[in-house]
Amino acid sequence: SQKIEQNSEALNIQEGKTATLTCNYTNYSPAYLQWYRQDPGRGPVFLLLIRENEKEKRKERLKVTFDTTLKQSLFHITASQPADSATYLCALDASGGGADGLTFGKGTHLIIQP
Amino acid sequence: DAGITQSPRHKVTETGTPVTLRCHQTENHRYMYWYRQDPGHGLRLIHYSYGVKDTDKGEVSDGYSVSRSKTEDFLLTLESATSSQTSVYFCAISEGDGNQPQHFGDGTRLSIL
Repeated sequence: SQKIEQNSEALNIQEGKTATLTCNYTNYSPAYLQWYRQDPGRGPVFLLLIRENEKEKRKERLKVTFDTTLKQSLFHITASQPADSATYLCALDASGGGADGLTFGKGTHLIIQP
Repeated sequence: DAGITQSPRHKVTETGTPVTLRCHQTENHRYMYWYRQDPGHGLRLIHYSYGVKDTDKGEVSDGYSVSRSKTEDFLLTLESATSSQTSVYFCAISEGDGNQPQHFGDGTRLSIL
C-alpha cells in the first residue's frame, strides 16, 4: 500500500542548530514533493516544492533534498529559532503531475528551545 | 495571504442533520480542494474541483458531496452528519496541478454530537 512517513515523535532542537526532518514514502512515484508548515489552529502554509529531477532546493534558511532512489526527502532549517517551532508536513503529488490533490504525511512537530 | 475564506469557522450540530461548509476565494484559481484533518491521520482529501461544475472524489469522499457553481465558491455538504465526520475541514486552492503549491484557509472546526 502507499505510505508517507514522517518522524512521529516531536523533534526538540536547540536554538541556533540545524533541524533536519525526514519524509519517507513507499509505492509512490511522485513528480513533485512539497513541504508545508502548520501552526496550531491555522491552515498549512506552503514552504517549498521540489521536482523529481531536482536534487536540492533552497529558500533562505530552508533546504529540501529529494532522493527518488531512496524515496526520501529531507527538510533542513539552519540557524533555527524558537519562531520555527511548528508542525511540518510533507506532501506529494501521488498522481504524477495530475490535479487530484496532494497526499500528506502526518507531520513532524518541531520544537526549538531557546 | 491568499484570499481564502472558510465559513463557518466553528459549528456544532447533531447527528443526522445536513451541514454545508463554504469556501470562498478571491484569487480566481482554477483548482479547489476540501481536506479533513484528524489526529493520527493527517490531512486527507475529500473532494476536489478543477473548474466550474467539474469535481471529483478524493480518498475519503463517502458521506460528502460538493458543488462548484462559480469559480470563487466551493461548497462541501454532509447530507446526514455522523459523529465520525467530526473533524477540522480545510479548503485549499491552487493555480495548477501537482506542480503548484496549495494555499489553505484556516479551517472549519465541526463537531457532530
